[in-house]
Amino acid sequence: SQKIEQNSEALNIQEGKTATLTCNYTNYSPAYLQWYRQDPGRGPVFLLLIRENEKEKRKERLKVTFDTTLKQSLFHITASQPADSATYLCALDNYGQNFVFGPGTRLSVLP
Amino acid sequence: GAVVSQHPSWVICKSGTSVKIECRSLDFQATTMFWYRQFPKQSLMLMATSNEGSKATYEQGVEKDKFLINHASLTLSTLTVTSAHPEDSSFYICSASPPGRVNTEAFFGQGTRLTVV
Repeated sequence: SQKIEQNSEALNIQEGKTATLTCNYTNYSPAYLQWYRQDPGRGPVFLLLIRENEKEKRKERLKVTFDTTLKQSLFHITASQPADSATYLCALDNYGQNFVFGPGTRLSVLP
Repeated sequence: GAVVSQHPSWVICKSGTSVKIECRSLDFQATTMFWYRQFPKQSLMLMATSNEGSKATYEQGVEKDKFLINHASLTLSTLTVTSAHPEDSSFYICSASPPGRVNTEAFFGQGTRLTVV
């Protein structure tokens, strides 16, 4: 069956450290993989997209990797700040029809 | 960037009544919009794909007669929860993408918190 997993449900890190979030998928062949940020009571906000033929993408303090062999994406936030505290969702392109979202990781950056 | 606006942001209704939620693309036209439902501490679950000028496509397990979707124009889709019950209480979110960015970037409304009492 198709599955998207994000390890873990919650992650606490100290301010200034690098946060690493994981997204694993099974029985999908996404052409794109995306990461979104969602704050409580709000809709998700797009952060980054990485294509299947790209290994890494960066945007400011964010870095995403995509390994189609491992069926995994890693999302890194360097020099993390308390303002980075939110839930982060990965999403896969579902054969060009729509997006399928992972369960999310709730990140807390402690001052 | 593209803006998607959702209204209302929250609504409380009595059991048995119907509630309409609007989703508008403010600065682009969207032939397709998506409706999601999110329970606390869970991810977004796609309910249906709203298609301008034609019937919506519902995901398995979503009752089309209970969740009525109307996409009457290129900038507006509505979701009506009919005969609402307490178990319909949830966070409903819509999304859309501008032409050329479909499948690469979704823009979400701010969500609607529905509470059925």
